[in-house]
Amino acid sequence: DGGITQSPKYLFRKEGQNVTLSCEQNLNHDAMYWYRQDPGQGLRLIYYSQIVNDFQKGDIAEGYSVSREKKESFPLTVTSAQKNPTAFYLCASGQKYEQYFGPGTRLTVT
Amino acid sequence: AQSVTQLDSHVSVSEGTPVLLRCNYSSSYSPSLFWYVQHPNKGLQLLLKYTSAATLVKGINGFEAEFKKSETSFHLTKPSAHMSDAAEYFCVVSGISSYKLIFGSGTRLLVRP
Repeated sequence: DGGITQSPKYLFRKEGQNVTLSCEQNLNHDAMYWYRQDPGQGLRLIYYSQIVNDFQKGDIAEGYSVSREKKESFPLTVTSAQKNPTAFYLCASGQKYEQYFGPGTRLTVT
Repeated sequence: AQSVTQLDSHVSVSEGTPVLLRCNYSSSYSPSLFWYVQHPNKGLQLLLKYTSAATLVKGINGFEAEFKKSETSFHLTKPSAHMSDAAEYFCVVSGISSYKLIFGSGTRLLVRP
């Protein structure tokens, strides 16, 4: 069963705690992406990676960190420096411009 | 710079009637264009894509879109709406940088019985 998996589906954290969101793909795609989605808004790019061991900041990288140690995995850490972390987080992978999305993780920080 | 504007934040249609979701884009070169659909609390699914081949693009679930360079538009249509079409739809244009996409703000489609 090919695709992109994100875990967990729902995540609750206390303010001040770091939290890591998982994203795994078995589509053999070179590129992987993290987006944030807020109610009534489009997707905003947090980080992306075109190859293993390399990644670039997107439009809203402050307060987030990533790693790309394996082609299949691109975890996102939401740090305590992120001012407003409650959101729906979407991971995607792709080749060239075509991107395929995971089911998302809804993070709630209180 | 590349940008995309979805002209309607909400569209409401009756089941069985046509659907039209409007999208205009701005690009300094020939872009790739996409439509994605998102059902509540789900990821995005690719409906269709334009990559400089035929200007009329057919997608999944009976949707199609026409690339009109003179109007810088890429409107999404479907002849007959189904209740299962109720969702959020995103028009997307390729960015200057390889691999990056620019998303519109979305159009929420409501289908009335």
